[in-house]
Amino acid sequence: AQKVTQAQTEISVVEKEDVTLDCVYETRDTTYYLFWYKQPPSGELVFLIRRNSFDEQNEISGRYSWNFQKSTSSFNFTITASQVVDSAVYFCALSEAEYSGSRLTFGEGTQLTVNP
Amino acid sequence: DTAVSQTPKYLVTQMGNDKSIKCEQNLGHDTMYWYKQDSKKFLKIMFSYNNKELIINETVPNRFSPKSPDKAHLNLHINSLELGDSAVYFCASSSEGRAAFFGQGTRLTVV
Repeated sequence: AQKVTQAQTEISVVEKEDVTLDCVYETRDTTYYLFWYKQPPSGELVFLIRRNSFDEQNEISGRYSWNFQKSTSSFNFTITASQVVDSAVYFCALSEAEYSGSRLTFGEGTQLTVNP
Repeated sequence: DTAVSQTPKYLVTQMGNDKSIKCEQNLGHDTMYWYKQDSKKFLKIMFSYNNKELIINETVPNRFSPKSPDKAHLNLHINSLELGDSAVYFCASSSEGRAAFFGQGTRLTVV
């Protein structure tokens, strides 16, 4: 069975600090996908990134970066120079191999608060 | 244009009532989902449809019945609402295991 663990329930930082959100996953599949979603206070779920299990290259998008390490089953998310607008709940999610009907298994989420 | 839209955004109703939530996607995706987010923010899949065919049916009370009239629509009907059904329900769509895009959510409050 798939499982995603986000051990950090809440993180509070001051603006401009860097912050890393941890994500550890479990799966028996050899092919799988990992995702991060952002849920701001307004409530919608915003897609941030998708990574497949064969691509361990780190990715950077502006102030966001992701570190995927298969050896430790982790897919961590770093926000550099955090801003107040980054305050949200962040979810890591795992999906089975690419076939129709694939479900997302979500972690419990990490509430990030960025204080001015 | 909104990619995945669900209505209504808020739904307050009394116990025992029957209600429906509608979802439409204009992304051309072949798979649609319903997820439930509880009061602790935990997200869990309820149903998945692919090309109008039910693919995933998690352990959900049979008071919940999804219906997909076509690939672009997936509605959720809930009979005999209970207090414990209060949650945020998200519709989502994806194509061949790619990223799922979510609607804005429907906050259901049963009183």
